[in-house]
Amino acid sequence: AQSVTQLDSHVSVSEGTPVLLRCNYSSSYSPSLFWYVQHPNKGLQLLLKYTSAATLVKGINGFEAEFKKSETSFHLTKPSAHMSDAAEYFCVVSDLVDTNAGKSTFGDGTTLTVKP
Amino acid sequence: KAGVTQTPRYLIKTRGQQVTLSCSPISGHRSVSWYQQTPGQGLQFLFEYFSETQRNKGNFPGRFSGRQFSNSRSEMNVSTLELGDSALYLCASSKSGTGSTGELFFGEGSRLTVL
Repeated sequence: AQSVTQLDSHVSVSEGTPVLLRCNYSSSYSPSLFWYVQHPNKGLQLLLKYTSAATLVKGINGFEAEFKKSETSFHLTKPSAHMSDAAEYFCVVSDLVDTNAGKSTFGDGTTLTVKP
Repeated sequence: KAGVTQTPRYLIKTRGQQVTLSCSPISGHRSVSWYQQTPGQGLQFLFEYFSETQRNKGNFPGRFSGRQFSNSRSEMNVSTLELGDSALYLCASSKSGTGSTGELFFGEGSRLTVL
């Protein structure tokens, strides 16, 4: 069984300051981990993914995430927030067995607010 | 490569009516998943189809149903609409199977309003 917990439902930062969105997961097998972003009334867009290659993953728009197996974490970071980063972010886990079975487990989402 | 296409993008229905939403996946993708997103409940999984078979199902009443065609296009239907069915309905496609990473590709969604 797999699960994912996004530790903050809301995060507020000032423009130009760092962003940290936290995600912890549990998985029985080697997981694939994803971060998706959703702007209002839009579909979800892939930011980045970890699929058992490099543990530090770089994504679009300056975001990156580090897979830490010992801490079962996959936190999303960005050095400097931009107003356009305001959105909802979802952490998703899918292990090998569940990927083949078409299953993904979503976190509850984190709403990021960026203040001018 | 064309993305996931959902139609219609917006629709308004009244209680008791039914609605059918359509999703065309990325070419070559055989798995299509449906999600309901509301402000109160967040993103909830409805069901997933693979090769015309429902493979996974979320915890929704039988009023919610779906199907997948041989070209992988999928439809979902909601019968006897209730006010609480007002939501953004999202469709996602993926390759699934051997070699897949589990990455999901989402459409823009269908915004349903029930009056």
